[in-house]
Amino acid sequence: EVQLVESGGGLVQPGGSLRLSCAASGFTFSSYWMHWVRQAPGKGLVWVSRINTDGRTTTYADSVKDRFTISRDNAKNTVYLQMNSLRAEDTAVFYCARDHLNGQGMDVWGQGTTVTVSS
Amino acid sequence: DIQMTQSPSTLSASVGDRVTITCRASQSISTWLAWYQQKPGKAPNLLIYEASSLESGVPSRFSGSGSVTEFTLTISSLQPDDFATYYCQQYNSYPWTFGQGTKVEIK
Repeated sequence: EVQLVESGGGLVQPGGSLRLSCAASGFTFSSYWMHWVRQAPGKGLVWVSRINTDGRTTTYADSVKDRFTISRDNAKNTVYLQMNSLRAEDTAVFYCARDHLNGQGMDVWGQGTTVTVSS
Repeated sequence: DIQMTQSPSTLSASVGDRVTITCRASQSISTWLAWYQQKPGKAPNLLIYEASSLESGVPSRFSGSGSVTEFTLTISSLQPDDFATYYCQQYNSYPWTFGQGTKVEIK
């Protein structure tokens, strides 16, 4: 079964850091670009970041650039999102998602992990 | 960034109704558009890509059309399982952007 499972969410104070993980199974992870998407409580979907197959090419939304870092370990079938300098407005459910057909949307999603930034 | 605008924001319909949701892009995106369905507390599910291509496993009552800046998602006969929120998303250029969502409610 094709599956993505996120972990690492939790409560963090403003200015703090958190690292999210997304473990993939059921497909050849190293062949797919991967994405992170977030959704604030009661709000819509916001694309956050993407990484190519070998991890050398990354792209970020302006709102997280210079604060978040996406990376991957193909030996562990895992993609990460390191989040620094967290703000209250980063509070959201974070989803990892598999790229579809070389950049045509996202076809497999994890269940999401909740990040709450609050003092 | 490319802005995506959906209409309506909320739609009330009955089982069996034909439902159409519109998505407009702030600039040309050719046919680089996807549609997703999201139910409360769940991850989104890809329905349509490249504006009109049905993702594997998605019921044929879902269809997409459009190009350049105007797109539509149509549900030909609304089923109980279809009450959800629908999002369009452009992948013409980064950052990828979503519409604000259209909630399909029971009338």
